[in-house]
Amino acid sequence: NAGVTQTPKFQVLKTGQSMTLQCAQDMNHNSMYWYRQDPGMGLRLIYYSASEGTTDKGEVPNGYNVSRLNKREFSLRLESAAPSQTSVYFCASSEDIQETQYFGPGTRLLVL
Amino acid sequence: AQSVTQPDIHITVSEGASLELRCNYSYGATPYLFWYVQSPGQGLQLLLKYFSGDTLVQGIKGFEAEFKRSQSSFNLRKPSVHWSDAAEYFCAVVSLRDYGGSQGNLIFGKGTKLSVKP
Repeated sequence: NAGVTQTPKFQVLKTGQSMTLQCAQDMNHNSMYWYRQDPGMGLRLIYYSASEGTTDKGEVPNGYNVSRLNKREFSLRLESAAPSQTSVYFCASSEDIQETQYFGPGTRLLVL
Repeated sequence: AQSVTQPDIHITVSEGASLELRCNYSYGATPYLFWYVQSPGQGLQLLLKYFSGDTLVQGIKGFEAEFKRSQSSFNLRKPSVHWSDAAEYFCAVVSLRDYGGSQGNLIFGKGTKLSVKP
């Protein structure tokens, strides 16, 4: 039982490049989330998926897109990376909305 | 809109001393509250949570927190700190649409970094 896994662990991009961050959970959870963490800012929600087939914007969605591929997987895509997207990205899942969220180990992204 | 405030950015305590980390929330109803801990370079681990019932909740690693509705607070405590407790601690509340947020998501405080002196 791995919980929430994220790939890659670390990535360097040039401005304008695109990439997809992958997240998978093996806990049969309905809800999944993407957060970014910046120094002194805590964690801020980018997008979430309350259940398979639905996605909604969070606090800071600009520059990102998401796909809930199936119940297990929830990906985050940067279409044209910008230096302001340099951050640590965390995926989380919960049994349902409002339940306890379990976090992955994070992806450190550096955009040059 | 809902918010969570952690007034202390950085706290240093001596090993063996007691610890209290402060958390205040803005909310109109009984909130769902959490404390998470993040060690350097790691993800977030749940320490404890409060949904309802007994206002003093016990968590992992010897931590406890007390919900005080009158003070809109959910402070984290530990009677005797160990060097391994050095980390960053985040308080969070579940967002509800009725209070201007996205239903069910977590709103985090900005964190309190704990350093432990030998």
